[in-house]
Amino acid sequence: DGGITQSPKYLFRKEGQNVTLSCEQNLNHDAMYWYRQDPGQGLRLIYYSQIVNDFQKGDIAEGYSVSREKKESFPLTVTSAQKNPTAFYLCAVGGTAGSKQYFGPGTRLTVT
Amino acid sequence: GENVGLHLPTLSVQEGDNSIINCAYSNSASDYFIWYKQESGKGPQFIIDIRSNMDKRQGQRVTVLLNKTVKHLSLQIAATQPGDSAVYFCAETPYNFNKFYFGSGTKLNVKP
Repeated sequence: DGGITQSPKYLFRKEGQNVTLSCEQNLNHDAMYWYRQDPGQGLRLIYYSQIVNDFQKGDIAEGYSVSREKKESFPLTVTSAQKNPTAFYLCAVGGTAGSKQYFGPGTRLTVT
Repeated sequence: GENVGLHLPTLSVQEGDNSIINCAYSNSASDYFIWYKQESGKGPQFIIDIRSNMDKRQGQRVTVLLNKTVKHLSLQIAATQPGDSAVYFCAETPYNFNKFYFGSGTKLNVKP
């Protein structure tokens, strides 16, 4: 992290509400990623973007949406269609073609 | 997040001993590997990386070994300290690919 900001650190929502998680970076990386982390499991890719105004679905995109209007920002919306949204969400940035990925501090989302 | 490490394999070592954490990967096309350290409630922190044209790489107190024949990666931590207590996981990606695949991790517990 250092140049990657995720806010807020903790987020609470009622079931049925959409919620948007913020990810901002000042590292000038082209690629940005959203992962979900559940206890005892590896990180799972939700969406990624290699360039402004373009993004691709990851392995578990259902119930999520993203936008990439600026190089610095890659917000993730968790919609009411996501059946099990409570999780730790991590944003990462990195160069393309198998170069290092750096992670933000994460947002813990709890939906009740 | 706070529950990272739940139900993960655990390695317990005495302070000052060396630690070895292992990771098996399945994709023979994987070309680039990273080890991350994740403390409870925080985002993963980059430790060290290695490409498939190498079988060993050293950093400060850490060494990564890669055995492509058996698709095995290990992280060695010398003179383990209490501050090394965390979950460690590996990530892999094929050459010229923009997605990483992550292991579920190993929890390292350092006893003072």
